[in-house]
Amino acid sequence: ILNVEQSPQSLHVQEGDSTNFTCSFPSSNFYALHWYRWETAKSPEALFVMTLNGDEKKKGRISATLNTKEGYSYLYIKGSQPEDSATYLCACQTGANNLFFGTGTRLTVIP
Amino acid sequence: EPEVTQTPSHQVTQMGQEVILRCVPISNHLYFYWYRQILGQKVEFLVSFYNNEISEKSEIFDDQFSVERPDGSNFTLKIRSTKLEDSAMYFCASSVISYNSPLHFGNGTRLTVT
Repeated sequence: ILNVEQSPQSLHVQEGDSTNFTCSFPSSNFYALHWYRWETAKSPEALFVMTLNGDEKKKGRISATLNTKEGYSYLYIKGSQPEDSATYLCACQTGANNLFFGTGTRLTVIP
Repeated sequence: EPEVTQTPSHQVTQMGQEVILRCVPISNHLYFYWYRQILGQKVEFLVSFYNNEISEKSEIFDDQFSVERPDGSNFTLKIRSTKLEDSAMYFCASSVISYNSPLHFGNGTRLTVT
C-alpha cells in the first residue's frame, strides 16, 4: 500500500481568488500521477496524468506540476469560480494496474 | 461523450447475501477496474481486468469477491456473502490502456449491508 497524502483536507476561497493544493507520494517506484475532480453525486473526472519530473499540464484555469524526485505535485486554480467547488483527488500509479488515492482536498468557492 | 454506467445506484442487502454490481465500460476501452470508498476513507483499489482475466487484485479482493465480463459489454463485481464492512461506494472504471491513461469512472453503486 502506497501512502499518498493531500493537503489541505478542505479549503474555502472567495470567488476570483487563486488557490493551490498539494499531493505528496513516495518517490520510489513511481510511474504516473493522476489528478481527478469529483463533484458531489457525480463520478470522478480525470484532469491530468503526469509521468515526467518537471511535467506541467494546464486545462483552462487549472494547472498542475510534478516533482518526482521529492515526491509532490501541486494543483493550481486561477481565479476560482463557484463551479470549481469539488473534491480534488490525486492518485499515484506505481507501474502496476492500480492507483493509490489520497483522501482528497474539498474546495468550496464562495460567490 | 461516452461514459461508464453503473447499476444499481443504490443496493441494500442483508449480511450474508450475495450481490452483483453491474457496469458497462466505455466500448473501446480495454482495461476495467473496480474501486471502492468506505465512508470517510480513501478510494481503494480492488481489482483490474484485462483480456478476460484479472491482471491485478488487492488484499481486499479475497475469495468472497469475483469479477466477470459475461457478454463483452457488461463488467460485474460479485460479492458472495456480504459483510457489514462491505458497505461502501463501489466505482467501476475503464481506460484505453493501463499506463499513463486516465481512468473513466462510473457514478458508483452505494452498497449498504444491514
